[in-house]
This record gives sequence, structure tokens and C-alpha cells, in this order.
Amino acid sequence: EAQVTQNPRYLITVTGKKLTVTCSQNMNHEYMSWYRQDPGLGLRQIYYSMNVEVTDKGDVPEGYKVSRKEKRNFPLILESPSPNQTSLYFCASSPGQQNSPLHFGNGTRLTVT
Amino acid sequence: DQQVKQNSPSLSVQEGRISILNCDYTNSMFDYFLWYKKYPAEGPTFLISISSIKDKNEDGRFTVFLNKSAKHLSLHIVPSQPGDSAVYFCAARYYGGSQGNLIFGKGTKLSVKP
Repeated sequence: EAQVTQNPRYLITVTGKKLTVTCSQNMNHEYMSWYRQDPGLGLRQIYYSMNVEVTDKGDVPEGYKVSRKEKRNFPLILESPSPNQTSLYFCASSPGQQNSPLHFGNGTRLTVT
Repeated sequence: DQQVKQNSPSLSVQEGRISILNCDYTNSMFDYFLWYKKYPAEGPTFLISISSIKDKNEDGRFTVFLNKSAKHLSLHIVPSQPGDSAVYFCAARYYGGSQGNLIFGKGTKLSVKP
């Protein structure tokens, strides 16, 4: 089944403790991206990657890192999480072709205390 | 400043009636628009899209209308069904922008009552 898989689905952590949210897609998509969803703010892009070893900042990149060492994986790294990073995170991928839509994972709900 | 606006946080419609969800945008450089549907505990799923060279696109019960002069698009669902109850996000892409770099609205929660 074609899908974008995020892990974990739920995570509670404390301020300053480094964490990684994994994202993997099995559709051989070139493009991958991370979004966060917050009440009243909709979906905002954190980072994106056009292809392997190519990453770029989205609208809200502060406090996050990403890497794209292989095509299928695009982990989101929070080196020193803070409470304002408590949010619902979505990974997405796309073939990168003209007018192809994004495919989203089911989300990771992160709480930073 | 918000470039894609969904001014109605929620909408309630009776089953069988038409649902109309609205979206306004401010940037004339947007050339492609999409609607996504999101159920609780799931990621958004693509619903329908429209290019700026068109004014209408239809897919089954779903139709998207684009009014470029008014910088307005709308999603019509006819007839509405209880399974359509979800949050709907409008999204837009810049002309020449990456396929995935979408600007999303805040979403409208649709409730379809039996």
C-alpha cells in the first residue's frame, strides 16, 4: 500500500531532550516536506526537500533540523525541544511532477513539557 | 499576513443539501489551488484541485470554482453526506513554485447532519 509513515504517533517529552520524528514513504517520491498544525493557524511548512541531499527552510524552520540521506526517509529533528513546539506534525511527499498533490502521513502529536 | 484565508471556522449543513466552503487569497502569483480533507487522527487527503487557467473543475459530487478577479475560490459538495464531515483546507501554490510548497488556510470544519 502506498503510504507515508510517521513514527511515533504520540510523543511526550521534556524541554531540552533531543528527539527525532521519523518519516518514510514507499512511493519513490522526490519531494518531501514537514508541516505543523496548530489551532487557529492551519498548516505551516517547516522544511522541505526537493531530492536526496537537498533541503530548504519553509515558513517556520526555527528549532528544527532535517536530513535527506536517502530518498524514502526524511526525519525531523528537534535538538532542544521547547514548549512552543508542542504541536501536531505532518510529513508529506509528492512525485514532484507538475500539479501532483501532496500525500500526508497520519501525524505525530508532540507535547513538550 | 495570511495569504490564504478561510473565514468560516465551521459550517453545518443538512444531509442531501449543498455545502459551500469558501477561500480567499491575496497573492496574485498563486497559479494552482487545492482542497484537502482531514478526518480526526488522520493526515489531510487530497480532494480536488484547479489551475488558474480554469474557472471550474468537477469530480463527482465535488466542484471547485475559481474567480480570479475576486481572488476567491469555493468548494461545492452536492449532495452532502454525513461522511463528508471533516475539516477542509484550502491551499495555494506560487507560480513557478515547487509542487509541494503549498500555503494553507486555517481550515473549515464541516458538519453534515443526518
